[in-house]
Amino acid sequence: KNQVEQSPQSLIILEGKNCTLQCNYTVSPFSNLRWYKQDTGRGPVSLTIMTFSENTKSNGRYTATLDADTKQSSLHITASQLSDSASYICVVSAVDYKLSFGAGTTVTVRA
Amino acid sequence: DVKVTQSSRYLVKRTGEKVFLECVQDMDHENMFWYRQDPGLGLRLIYFSYDVKMKEKGDIPEGYSVSREKKERFSLILESASTNQTSMYLCASSLRGLGYGYTFGSGTRLTVV
Repeated sequence: KNQVEQSPQSLIILEGKNCTLQCNYTVSPFSNLRWYKQDTGRGPVSLTIMTFSENTKSNGRYTATLDADTKQSSLHITASQLSDSASYICVVSAVDYKLSFGAGTTVTVRA
Repeated sequence: DVKVTQSSRYLVKRTGEKVFLECVQDMDHENMFWYRQDPGLGLRLIYFSYDVKMKEKGDIPEGYSVSREKKERFSLILESASTNQTSMYLCASSLRGLGYGYTFGSGTRLTVV
């Protein structure tokens, strides 16, 4: 069964600090991996999407990495801001339309 | 910008009521999806549709049905709402193929009392 595991489940960081979120998956055959940001009470918004051949992709202060060999991805947030407080969801697509979702990591940024 | 619009942000319904959740997208996407999201469980696929009048069951279709009479509109129907269907419901749409252009709506928080 295709699975996506995210860690940690939640974390608290001080404004201005960096943090890294992890995503491990077993989805096969792999097509692409996405990171979404979901604010409380809102729908997920895409941050990055990476295919098999991409190792790194950035979107402002968000940088995602992908190691397709070990089936691991990370999302790094640089110089966190209060507006980064949200849930971050890792989504992996197999070579069909179906997506497998992680349960998400809740990030709280404190002043 | 691609827009996926869900008709209601918040809904409160009584047990046994028939509930309609509406979703409209404006980018001529072939695929449309309904998910529910519960704490600790992530998003789970209820139903999806890859064309008008076409539908397929996702991972948790029990207690739900769908309707896609027009390409831009995908409706989720709770035939007889139950308290365990209290959840956040998210609609999404995408281009045909590998799911590029995948876009979510803002969600509907449904409470069944």
